[in-house]
Amino acid sequence: EAGVTQSPTHLIKTRGQQATLRCSPISGHTSVYWYQQALGLGLQFLLWYDEGEERNRGNFPPRFSGRQFPNYSSELNVNALELEDSALYLCASSFLSGVTYNEQFFGPGTRLTVL
Amino acid sequence: AQSVTQLDSHVSVSEGTPVLLRCNYSSSYSPSLFWYVQHPNKGLQLLLKYTSAATLVKGINGFEAEFKKSETSFHLTKPSAHMSDAAEYFCVVSDTPGTYKYIFGTGTRLKVLA
Repeated sequence: EAGVTQSPTHLIKTRGQQATLRCSPISGHTSVYWYQQALGLGLQFLLWYDEGEERNRGNFPPRFSGRQFPNYSSELNVNALELEDSALYLCASSFLSGVTYNEQFFGPGTRLTVL
Repeated sequence: AQSVTQLDSHVSVSEGTPVLLRCNYSSSYSPSLFWYVQHPNKGLQLLLKYTSAATLVKGINGFEAEFKKSETSFHLTKPSAHMSDAAEYFCVVSDTPGTYKYIFGTGTRLKVLA
């Protein structure tokens, strides 16, 4: 069974540009989560999508946005890029069952570098 | 608010000796707790999880963790370290029920010496 996939592996942008990152969840998973792993800041929760809707977002400005498509794949968009947006962006997927915290399966990440 | 503290940012052990990675949590609810491992340039892999069943949780690759409510701890152990265990380890606590958010610790980098 294929795991969570992310593209591209690396992305280099300049300040002010927009970046688009993509994630395909494991088949059967309806939830997609995005995390930012910046140097020295650890893993920070960005966004959670389930069944096409944004369910929760972390403490990030509105220029971080995304969407989930009918096939449950997801896109993270970062507008007006700033140098501090340079980080590894991790996507994870899971299925939901009641209030149980099911395991989140992580992809390999997209390394975004802002110059 | 829920939080998790990994008490050591770096741990070094010799191959074949025990591993102890410490994690304390704070939660207003009955938490779910996880340990993930991240090898260099790789995504995160679940080692084990606690979701209010047995307090001693066994995971993959010989790792285990014990949930101690009285001490609000969830330390990760392994009897004998292997070179392939060198990686970064994250302790994770569930956020408020219904949010399905994970709260990550800052990570412990494990170094295994030959």
